Amino acid sequence: GAVVSQHPSWVICKSGTSVKIECRSLDFQATTMFWYRQFPKQSLMLMATSNEGSKATYEQGVEKDKFLINHASLTLSTLTVTSAHPEDSSFYICSASWLAGGLGSKNIQYFGAGTRLSVL
Amino acid sequence: GENVEQHPSTLSVQEGDSAVIKCTYSDSASNYFPWYKQELGKRPQLIIDIRSNVGEKKDQRIAVTLNKTAKHFSLHITETQPEDSAVYFCAASIGGSNYKLTFGKGTLLTVNP
Repeated sequence: GAVVSQHPSWVICKSGTSVKIECRSLDFQATTMFWYRQFPKQSLMLMATSNEGSKATYEQGVEKDKFLINHASLTLSTLTVTSAHPEDSSFYICSASWLAGGLGSKNIQYFGAGTRLSVL
Repeated sequence: GENVEQHPSTLSVQEGDSAVIKCTYSDSASNYFPWYKQELGKRPQLIIDIRSNVGEKKDQRIAVTLNKTAKHFSLHITETQPEDSAVYFCAASIGGSNYKLTFGKGTLLTVNP
């Protein structure tokens, strides 16, 4: 269980175009979805946290107008990189989570396989 | 905000030896500490986690210890195998309304056959 699907796995686009990345929880309803960016050989940098039906919470330094997040349902969140530029080239990973365990619960995050974005 | 430090950044061991990765966190309110394994080009996979009301947790060859007073936690892998080679990330979560994780910078573990 707890499968998270992310598409596309790899995308190449021209500078100035927009790219949409989808993150789906396949076998559970995710109360929260997270979007991360990962540079080569580096850690996961949280970009934003999104809850279904509400606006995403962006981390300091992340441009919300540049990285549009929509979380329309409990199983789908999308990240749109608008007017992409070469410096946006990176590995983007989503995760989905729900509260597990009732009282004293913990929020387990399950990750998608990531999307490698290359902007030419 | 929370800050998680992870050491070492690289670790090379012989097959069969033990490996230990250590993390420290800054916010005493953190109460959930997962460890993720990421193989090259793949997604991070949760391998073990621990909550602040527990001092140690073990799952076969993997164990995690937590010292709340010192604000540090460690991952222990015994009888290492080549397939344990990967990048390991520790993380900490304060909980609350968004449960976001703060990750360490990762440890590249190489198990030599």
